[in-house]
Amino acid sequence: QKEVEQNSGPLSVPEGAIASLNCTYSDRGSQSFFWYRQYSGKSPELIMFIYSNGDKEDGRFTAQLNKASQYVSLLIRDSQPSDSATYLCAVGSSNTGNQFYFGTGTSLTVIP
Amino acid sequence: DAGVIQSPRHEVTEMGQEVTLRCKPISGHNSLFWYRQTMMRGLELLIYFNNNVPIDDSGMPEDRFSAKMPNASFSTLKIQPSEPRDSAVYFCASSLWQGNEKLFFGSGTQLSVL
Repeated sequence: QKEVEQNSGPLSVPEGAIASLNCTYSDRGSQSFFWYRQYSGKSPELIMFIYSNGDKEDGRFTAQLNKASQYVSLLIRDSQPSDSATYLCAVGSSNTGNQFYFGTGTSLTVIP
Repeated sequence: DAGVIQSPRHEVTEMGQEVTLRCKPISGHNSLFWYRQTMMRGLELLIYFNNNVPIDDSGMPEDRFSAKMPNASFSTLKIQPSEPRDSAVYFCASSLWQGNEKLFFGSGTQLSVL
């Protein structure tokens, strides 16, 4: 399977701070990039997606993509305790079908 | 709108028994994926279907695992015989295959093989 790498953490930030989550991928043919949030005991939930180089903002979340460096990141501004979860990076390629590969996730704890 | 529906939510069985997991994708979605999640390996893609046809089953760990999608609204993942190392959470997900589409996950099946 294609490689998607994330720092496993855990990452701890104080409430109100910016949390920065990083992901690298090995397949240069990858075309779509996603961030999922997974609370303990729950299923992954899509929170951001990005297809083009640059930044994409949605509320407190910003996804950043650099295809040349094969790097995608997620910034969470004004972090809240409710943001405490595992964040999964997923990469998709339609070159050979419609496959999605996930990193192992980064555990984030926001400290009140 | 109902999301991806999986059953059962929990399954406890003994080694050697057959296990069948079920999934109903979101209506109108034409891609369906089976993932397995463990602490050690994270989310692993087992198999996926486009328009009910298996496209890639290279992630299926062994011949003990099989998956079917007889129609657009139903899929099964079967393990026969089950082994303790199969214990994991199995997720089904669906998407609309037009390239770069988003995955929506079911609530998962927690499988414990004793």
